[in-house]
Amino acid sequence: QKEVEQDPGPLSVPEGAIVSLNCTYSNSAFQYFMWYRQYSRKGPELLMYTYSSGNKEDGRFTAQVDKSSKYISLFIRDSQPSDSATYLCAMISQRGFGNEKLTFGTGTRLTIIP
Amino acid sequence: DGGITQSPKYLFRKEGQNVTLSCEQNLNHDAMYWYRQDPGQGLRLIYYSQIVNDFQKGDIAEGYSVSREKKESFPLTVTSAQKNPTAFYLCASREDRVPTDTQYFGPGTRLTVL
Repeated sequence: QKEVEQDPGPLSVPEGAIVSLNCTYSNSAFQYFMWYRQYSRKGPELLMYTYSSGNKEDGRFTAQVDKSSKYISLFIRDSQPSDSATYLCAMISQRGFGNEKLTFGTGTRLTIIP
Repeated sequence: DGGITQSPKYLFRKEGQNVTLSCEQNLNHDAMYWYRQDPGQGLRLIYYSQIVNDFQKGDIAEGYSVSREKKESFPLTVTSAQKNPTAFYLCASREDRVPTDTQYFGPGTRLTVL
């Protein structure tokens, strides 16, 4: 079993819809959670970073963490064609020298249909 | 412009050849990373370096080598011992500011074995 599970999609939704992307994890030591967006043939870029259970909002994006269920989500409101990309979740158990290795999900490929 | 550059963008290798992928950053980050990305497998860590003249193996280091002679540079050599080197290679660096563990990625190098 992988430490982080993420549905690879592909996921297609109409423009303006709310998108929900999810990851589950098995390692209860994970404490810090990130969402990256990766356009085709490009490097990933950080979208959201959170370390506590609950919601964190940034513009049209909301990251949600439920540590008791080992489940994280990324919601995109008012989705735009420019949101079409692969979304990767990533997590880390602790910060500090020698503990900076991220564990990534496989990524979900999202297409927003105009 | 601060950022991470990788070169070349596309690289072709014949069987039995060693090739070196370049990664340079001008963000003044101490930590740098190399990942490999394959379809359906997410990002897997090859090597990472916390400081100059020091580096550690990641999860899939076999067939790869690195050096860290300068803070700005972290080249990756794909040796002939790597049995399946065709992949998308991503370099990243991490800002040292607490509490974030943000890793910033370069644009990637796509390596194809002929």
